[in-house]
Amino acid sequence: NAGVTQTPKFRILKIGQSMTLQCTQDMNHNYMYWYRQDPGMGLKLIYYSVGAGITDKGEVPNGYNVSRSTTEDFPLRLELAAPSQTSVYFCASSYSSRSDTQYFGPGTRLTVL
Amino acid sequence: QQQVKQSPQSLIVQKGGISIINCAYENTAFDYFPWYQQFPGKGPALLIAIRPDVSEKKEGRFTISFNKSAKQFSLHIMDSQPGDSATYFCAAYSGNTPLVFGKGTRLSVIA
Repeated sequence: NAGVTQTPKFRILKIGQSMTLQCTQDMNHNYMYWYRQDPGMGLKLIYYSVGAGITDKGEVPNGYNVSRSTTEDFPLRLELAAPSQTSVYFCASSYSSRSDTQYFGPGTRLTVL
Repeated sequence: QQQVKQSPQSLIVQKGGISIINCAYENTAFDYFPWYQQFPGKGPALLIAIRPDVSEKKEGRFTISFNKSAKQFSLHIMDSQPGDSATYFCAAYSGNTPLVFGKGTRLSVIA
């Protein structure tokens, strides 16, 4: 079992560029999440999904988009990158509810210059 | 609006000592309180969790103490080891909200 995998590990973007952060889980989990982690600020929820075709906004959704076409995949799209989006992004999944253990991926470190 | 307040921001403990990290919350609807541990360059991982029907939960050297009336909970690490050096996040959940994380505590255990 690979668990939750994220690609890429690192990325540098120029202001205004777009990119997609990939997230895949092989645990057949229904719930998936995207967080961003900034130094000293903890983990902030960007978007989450309770199943294929269903997504909802978290605490900091502005500047991001998501889709969930399959149970396994939950990509995060940045359309017009801004320096404020420089952060470490974590994808996570849980089995059946938001109180279940969340399993995190290794993260993507994104820098926007 | 910070729903879970965590302190201290950083902590240095001697090897063999007790590490204590505190969290406080306001939302009385919270009914699940996990702690996550994160090593540098890795994603967080669940360490231990508690529900408010018990006042304490212990797993090995890690203990959660829960005070429902004070709306506080804390993580105690007994006999702290250098391998415990990591960032620790408390979190809280209710049926109506996604998991809410504290800002984290960076623990350094020195020999």
